[in-house]
Amino acid sequence: DVKVTQSSRYLVKRTGEKVFLECVQDMDHENMFWYRQDPGLGLRLIYFSYDVKMKEKGDIPEGYSVSREKKERFSLILESASTNQTSMYLCASSLPGTTSYEQYFGPGTRLTVT
Amino acid sequence: SQKIEQNSEALNIQEGKTATLTCNYTNYSPAYLQWYRQDPGRGPVFLLLIRENEKEKRKERLKVTFDTTLKQSLFHITASQPADSATYLCALDTGRRALTFGSGTRLQVQP
Repeated sequence: DVKVTQSSRYLVKRTGEKVFLECVQDMDHENMFWYRQDPGLGLRLIYFSYDVKMKEKGDIPEGYSVSREKKERFSLILESASTNQTSMYLCASSLPGTTSYEQYFGPGTRLTVT
Repeated sequence: SQKIEQNSEALNIQEGKTATLTCNYTNYSPAYLQWYRQDPGRGPVFLLLIRENEKEKRKERLKVTFDTTLKQSLFHITASQPADSATYLCALDTGRRALTFGSGTRLQVQP
């Protein structure tokens, strides 16, 4: 079974803090993705990566950065957390190539910035 | 950019009936369309993928149709059960390597 794990289920941080969200997958997938999910807005793509050290901006990259040093690990970084980054963050992975492959999601991290 | 519309209102149906959820999109037709199920507090789980040259796809009690003329996909659950209660998301390819997701429709099946 494909497993995507995220470092925390719940996280509370203060405004201005640097926040790291970690995601690990065990299926040797090339593609990895970070989304945020807000009520009424659905899943919005922040960044994705199709190979180690490769990254592409999604639809809402502002205020975020990512790191992919190893194939199995994809980190999302909030350089200076703000209250409008309070959200559910979901990581996913998939096989390489086109979007014809299903995405496997982690359980999500609910981040609250106070 | 691609815009996806799913009915934001919850769909309430009786157990045993067929649930039909709609996914409409604007702009170009995607090569693939996927449907996911999401339970509260959990990540989405993949259900079905349909290609643009496929009109219909089935998997057990699930059926998906894809009409590129209407720019619409319909997702059906036959003989629905309370355990089918969840939010269902459709997702389209964007011409790059990522999907664009709709905001989902919540289905509630009453026993």
